[in-house]
Amino acid sequence: DTEVTQTPKHLVMGMTNKKSLKCEQHMGHRAMYWYKQKAKKPPELMFVYSYEKLSINESVPSRFSPECPNSSLLNLHLHALQPEDSALYLCASSQGGGPYNEQFFGPGTRLTVL
Amino acid sequence: QKEVEQDPGPLSVPEGAIVSLNCTYSNSAFQYFMWYRQYSRKGPELLMYTYSSGNKEDGRFTAQVDKSSKYISLFIRDSQPSDSATYLCAMSAGSGNTPLVFGKGTRLSVIA
Repeated sequence: DTEVTQTPKHLVMGMTNKKSLKCEQHMGHRAMYWYKQKAKKPPELMFVYSYEKLSINESVPSRFSPECPNSSLLNLHLHALQPEDSALYLCASSQGGGPYNEQFFGPGTRLTVL
Repeated sequence: QKEVEQDPGPLSVPEGAIVSLNCTYSNSAFQYFMWYRQYSRKGPELLMYTYSSGNKEDGRFTAQVDKSSKYISLFIRDSQPSDSATYLCAMSAGSGNTPLVFGKGTRLSVIA
């Protein structure tokens, strides 16, 4: 099973709302990632969790707050977003150790900020 | 110079054609190379994964890595309309959770 699941598939929120994106994998992977992807652009790395600890934060604004409750789950909490934050938010996972680092992506959450 | 260069296309070919997609890179430390396929409004799907130089074949897909030229390729044989998607190359210098560096992606259309 090489599946990464993400919920919700679509999300529309106002600039004052608080919402959360969820990601789950059951491949035993120990590294999980959040990416942001704008139309016709490649994914941009936001955060990396390795063994449930935040290891990389690519200078993401504090209105995005990641959380890794356990090795299978990754959340992204959203608060006071701007319209320019509208994008496809992708979660990915990889083994996190050893010589392999193929990343497997979820289907994404399409976020629209009004 | 960007770390990874990829022609964004669009590339349009007839059904059954051989498609060649390419990326060049500047960082000689890259040693893990991946190709992803992304359909419109979906997440990227890992197609091929290669470590260091050489070829790897999987069905109609062949990935080639030439580290001496800092050049990677993905060949698609007998292309099908279902291959119409954006193809992203990605690479990294390390294993584990080392971040990937993506190319811009090439949009491919296979016309029936």
